[in-house]
Amino acid sequence: EPEVTQTPSHQVTQMGQEVILRCVPISNHLYFYWYRQILGQKVEFLVSFYNNEISEKSEIFDDQFSVERPDGSNFTLKIRSTKLEDSAMYFCASSYRDRDSPLHFGNGTRLTVT
Amino acid sequence: GEDVEQSLFLSVREGDSSVINCTYTDSSSTYLYWYKQEPGAGLQLLTYIFSNMDMKQDQRLTVLLNKKDKHLSLRIADTQTGDSAIYFCAESYNNNDMRFGAGTRLTVKP
Repeated sequence: EPEVTQTPSHQVTQMGQEVILRCVPISNHLYFYWYRQILGQKVEFLVSFYNNEISEKSEIFDDQFSVERPDGSNFTLKIRSTKLEDSAMYFCASSYRDRDSPLHFGNGTRLTVT
Repeated sequence: GEDVEQSLFLSVREGDSSVINCTYTDSSSTYLYWYKQEPGAGLQLLTYIFSNMDMKQDQRLTVLLNKKDKHLSLRIADTQTGDSAIYFCAESYNNNDMRFGAGTRLTVKP
């Protein structure tokens, strides 16, 4: 069964550095998402992306964050000037349509900011 | 505001049925989902139900939806030790953004 894949599985970075989290969505999916889960807290929506532009974003997704689909297969989340509180599990997801198809999630990237 | 609530822990014996409950608040939700998360792994889609349905069965899994009470449940029949995981209830809103519960940690004892 097709899967969403995310790399790396674990990323450690120093405060103030920039990180790029990478995702390869399922190939025929058109909608892409990033969610995060801070340890012990709920999974939270960050951003959704369709047709090469952001369609929705949450309050968490401020100017520190950006997303890109640099080619036909990758979907990236860039976090500039990382803070300690950015430490979390970041999940990428994709879906075929918007309203009536389920999201398929990757295994996540655990980001640790030291 | 809108929220999704579920109990944090459930413990059952192998072979028994497990029932994980969830309440949500957004009556405009179109789909409701159950995801499973095993240690160190991602969110695995287990099943989902459209909001105009009240029941969906898929092998050992039965989802019940009471839209009036905004209550969703997941029943796992003949629970096995491999079912031990965290189960997340989630609702879709806007186009397909999702709101998750905190997760129920299911422990299956042999």
